[in-house]
Amino acid sequence: AQTVTQSQPEMSVQEAETVTLSCTYDTSENNYYLFWYKQPPSRQMILVIRQEAYKQQNATENRFSVNFQKAAKSFSLKISDSQLGDTAMYFCAFKSPDSNYQLIWGAGTKLIIKP
Amino acid sequence: ETGVTQTPRHLVMGMTNKKSLKCEQHLGHNAMYWYKQSAKKPLELMFVYSLEERVENNSVPSRFSPECPNSSHLFLHLHTLQPEDSALYLCASSQDIRGSDEQYFGPGTRLTVT
Repeated sequence: AQTVTQSQPEMSVQEAETVTLSCTYDTSENNYYLFWYKQPPSRQMILVIRQEAYKQQNATENRFSVNFQKAAKSFSLKISDSQLGDTAMYFCAFKSPDSNYQLIWGAGTKLIIKP
Repeated sequence: ETGVTQTPRHLVMGMTNKKSLKCEQHLGHNAMYWYKQSAKKPLELMFVYSLEERVENNSVPSRFSPECPNSSHLFLHLHTLQPEDSALYLCASSQDIRGSDEQYFGPGTRLTVT
């Protein structure tokens, strides 16, 4: 069965620093999709970034980028120049034909940006 | 309103009550989802609907009953719940269930079972 593991329950960094959140997953599939979602306090869950497994190039969205290591089954999220508004729960998720296209979620990392 | 809306935002109910959660999406999506979110646990997918047909039922207790009358609305009917059912219930929608389509989430209903 597919699983997603986020090994850091909580992290905190100073504003403007760079932070990396880790995510590993387990699958026997070759084609799948990976996502990072963000859930700010008392606000709605939103997509941060996504990656198709067949693409070798790491996805980037402004200050957010991923380090996708397919062989290692690792999908870390890097946030550059962190801002107070980045304070949130961050969830890594995985989706594949074998999961019947259901999102399999990690338990989340609580990220606190300190002023 | 835009996006995905959920009502009520907060609900307190006794174990013998019957209540319903409502979700509405204004995005023209074909797929809708119910999730249960408990503290320090991964999101649990409860139900998936695609084009108003239930696609997945992940062994959810029968005290939770979904209803999808059309592609824009999704309900979760609750009856004889247990205290361990207290959680944040999230609704989401996506254009389709396949591919890399983004899921759009509602704000959730915070449910407390007393």
